[in-house]
Amino acid sequence: GENVEQHPSTLSVQEGDSAVIKCTYSDSASNYFPWYKQELGKRPQLIIDIRSNVGEKKDQRIAVTLNKTAKHFSLHITETQPEDSAVYFCAASITGGSYIPTFGRGTSLIVHP
Amino acid sequence: NAGVMQNPRHLVRRRGQEARLRCSPMKGHSHVYWYRQLPEEGLKFMVYLQKENIIDESGMPKERFSAEFPKEGPSILRIQQVVRGDSAAYFCASSPAGTPGGEQYFGPGTRLTVT
Repeated sequence: GENVEQHPSTLSVQEGDSAVIKCTYSDSASNYFPWYKQELGKRPQLIIDIRSNVGEKKDQRIAVTLNKTAKHFSLHITETQPEDSAVYFCAASITGGSYIPTFGRGTSLIVHP
Repeated sequence: NAGVMQNPRHLVRRRGQEARLRCSPMKGHSHVYWYRQLPEEGLKFMVYLQKENIIDESGMPKERFSAEFPKEGPSILRIQQVVRGDSAAYFCASSPAGTPGGEQYFGPGTRLTVT
């Protein structure tokens, strides 16, 4: 089955800095890679996703890159703000069948004002 | 379009009691996933259901746990004879018909506490 590794487990940055979270996956058939943000006590919320037919996707201050050959994908947050502080989860799945998304263990991002 | 609804939001049960967690997917979504989350841990898949069908229950303990998604009404995750180790946040997520394995939308979760 799929295995998703996520690093780092904790990331502490100063407001305004960039933050990068990396994930690797094992199943080359995976073709959909979402990122979720979970604030303390709240539900995970989809913030950005990427499909295997593109290498990069941006949405304002966040971007995701995908390297299919190396089987890794990354979340980039620029100009971090205190409200970006949360746990971020990556996931990998195969769309179109009875496939279960596999989640990384999460990265706790702390943005210091 | 209302989001994914879960109830109750908080549930306290004594050891040995039953816990029933309900999940109503977003309108138009026919795929439901249940996850368990322990403090400071990731999301552990439990079961994947479509209407009237369990598609994959490989993450669900064989004893005491069951799930259903009837033709009418919410999906239900049932835990019989709860133990302290069942204390966790249980999230359900739904995804649109036609995009299984694609984007999922999570409910607010049910926080189960077993005393």
